[in-house]
Amino acid sequence: QVQLKESGPGLVQPSQTLSLTCTVSGFSLTSNSVSWVRQPPGKGLEWMGAIWSGGSTDYNSALKSRLSISRDTSKSQVFLKMNSLQTEDTAIYFCTRRGTGRDYWGQGVMVTVSS
Amino acid sequence: DIVLTQAPLSVSVTPGESASISCRSSKSLLSSKGITSLYWYLQRPGKSPQLLIYQMSNLASGVPDRFSSSGSETDFTLKISKVETEDVGVYYCGHRLEYPWTFGGGTKLELK
Repeated sequence: QVQLKESGPGLVQPSQTLSLTCTVSGFSLTSNSVSWVRQPPGKGLEWMGAIWSGGSTDYNSALKSRLSISRDTSKSQVFLKMNSLQTEDTAIYFCTRRGTGRDYWGQGVMVTVSS
Repeated sequence: DIVLTQAPLSVSVTPGESASISCRSSKSLLSSKGITSLYWYLQRPGKSPQLLIYQMSNLASGVPDRFSSSGSETDFTLKISKVETEDVGVYYCGHRLEYPWTFGGGTKLELK
């Protein structure tokens, strides 16, 4: 069955770079796109960007200068890297995939930006 | 960016009664392919969001038909009939018409 699981450090220092991994199973990254969505504590959802089946990417313009999404299809992994982190980047980070008539979401990973 | 505005911020419903949530878009969500790119999600407490409705009025897989959605190009309504305990959480509308995809601010549904 389709599964996505996010992993990464729970704590990042301000001004440092965040690196997250979304490991997927049950589908191929060469046939499906994966998006990253984040949610600050107690707040709403923000679409960050996506990597499409062909490998191209699209980013939220508000984050584009700091954000990079890539993948390793052989390992079924999608990567998120975001630099110059600030406290307002503290959030749960989700990876998600569109399906036919449904979406698939990972459980999310909480990232706290603090010294 | 397209702004989605939800109302109300919260709604309190007696189990078995109905609830409605509104979502207004700053731009038409009707695509050139004739598809209205409006989606509804439910995020239960401590869980990941779950897709309820796609392309304005289509029920997502496994979602009970107590949920329904309708609207125009910019104004949309999610209706929940016969609210149950499992319906508690925050409801978000979202679009996928163009980048960036954006979401409404959310509507919290509680039980009386």
